Amino acid sequence: GENVEQHPSTLSVQEGDSAVIKCTYSDSASNYFPWYKQELGKRPQLIIDIRSNVGEKKDQRIAVTLNKTAKHFSLHITETQPEDSAVYFCAAGGTSYGKLTFGQGTILTVHP
Amino acid sequence: DTEVTQTPKHLVMGMTNKKSLKCEQHMGHRAMYWYKQKAKKPPELMFVYSYEKLSINESVPSRFSPECPNSSLLNLHLHALQPEDSALYLCASSQVSASMHNEQFFGPGTRLTVL
Repeated sequence: GENVEQHPSTLSVQEGDSAVIKCTYSDSASNYFPWYKQELGKRPQLIIDIRSNVGEKKDQRIAVTLNKTAKHFSLHITETQPEDSAVYFCAAGGTSYGKLTFGQGTILTVHP
Repeated sequence: DTEVTQTPKHLVMGMTNKKSLKCEQHMGHRAMYWYKQKAKKPPELMFVYSYEKLSINESVPSRFSPECPNSSLLNLHLHALQPEDSALYLCASSQVSASMHNEQFFGPGTRLTVL
């Protein structure tokens, strides 16, 4: 089955800095890669996603890049703010209908 | 309505109890999911329903029994649980497409404690 590895497990940055979280996946058939943000005690919420026919996608301060050959994808957050502090999960979805395999998560802390 | 709702928010039960978790969505989604999430861990898929039929069962113990009465509702019946089953149980829903994944919208979860 699919295996998703996520790094780093914790990331601490100063407000205004950039943050990068990286994930690798094992199944070359995976074609959908969402990123979820989960604040303490809250539900996971989709912040951005990318499909395998696209190499990069941006939404304001957030961007995701995908390298299908290397089977890795990354989340980039620019101009970080304290409210960006949360756990971020990457995930990969493939041919098995509806199933997402999640990475282990990254605890991002943005210091004012 | 762009929300998935879950009840109850918190549940404490003994190992001999029978209880049910409920999930509801009114976004017209035809796929619904149950996940289990332990503290500081990612969500783990338990079950997927597509058009009210069980399409994925991730080898979950039989003490967890899902039910999808209609396209808007998803239940998880609990019986004879173990303390290690204590976790946050998340429901999610998504549209259905033949050839691609769609965004999964998560509910707020039910925090379950098994004594």
